[in-house]
Amino acid sequence: GDSVTQMEGPVTLSEEAFLTINCTYTATGYPSLFWYVQYPGEGLQLLLKATKADDKGSNKGFEATYRKETTSFHLEKGSVQVSDSAVYFCALSDPGGATNKLIFGTGTLLAVQP
Amino acid sequence: SAVISQKPSRDICQRGTSLTIQCQVDSQVTMMFWYRQQPGQSLTLIATANQGSEATYESGFVIDKFPISRPNLTFSTLTVSNMSPEDSSIYLCSVEGRVGGREAFFGQGTRLTVV
Repeated sequence: GDSVTQMEGPVTLSEEAFLTINCTYTATGYPSLFWYVQYPGEGLQLLLKATKADDKGSNKGFEATYRKETTSFHLEKGSVQVSDSAVYFCALSDPGGATNKLIFGTGTLLAVQP
Repeated sequence: SAVISQKPSRDICQRGTSLTIQCQVDSQVTMMFWYRQQPGQSLTLIATANQGSEATYESGFVIDKFPISRPNLTFSTLTVSNMSPEDSSIYLCSVEGRVGGREAFFGQGTRLTVV
C-alpha cells in the first residue's frame, strides 16, 4: 500500500544552520505531497505542498521539490531559527481516491538551539 | 483555509467511560476526517464522515468503539467508547481543502488521557 518514510529524529541544529529532513514515498498513482508542522501543544498546520512532479512548494523559507524519479520530497531551509522547533510531518494524499485522505510519515522532531 | 474548533481541548477520563469530541467548522464542507495521534507517533486516519451517511472506517477501527455523527455540513462528533489507557492519544478533526488542492486543515486536537 501507499506509504511515507521519513527521516528519524530528533534533529538538533544550531540557529542559522541548514536543515534537510528526508522524505520518500511509495504510491501506485500520482499523489500530492505535503509537509505539515506541529508546534508544541498545537494542531497541525500545512507548511507547503506540491501536486505534480518537479513542482516546488515553498513557505516561510522552507522548500521541498516533488521528485518523481527518486520518489522523494525532502524538506529544506537555508537558515533555521529557534522558532522553527517543531515536529514536521511528510504526507501524501490518496492518489486514487476522491477524498483528501492523507497518509503521514512518522514525524521528525526538530530542535533548534540558540 | 477553514477555521476548525474542537472541544474539549484536553480531558482526563476514567477507564470504562466514554468521551465525545466535537468539531465545528466555519464553512460548509462535504467531508470531515478524524485522526488519532498516539504518543510520539504519527497520525492515523480513524474514519471519514460524510453528512447524511454512515462514516467510513479504516482498517482497525470500528463503529462500536468510535461512533461518529455528522448531522450537518459544519459539525461532527467522535465518541471514544469504553475507554482504556491505550486510547490515550490526541484526536484531530480535519476537513478537506479547496477542490483539487488535496490539502487538509486540522483542528487543534483533543488531548485525551485515560487513567
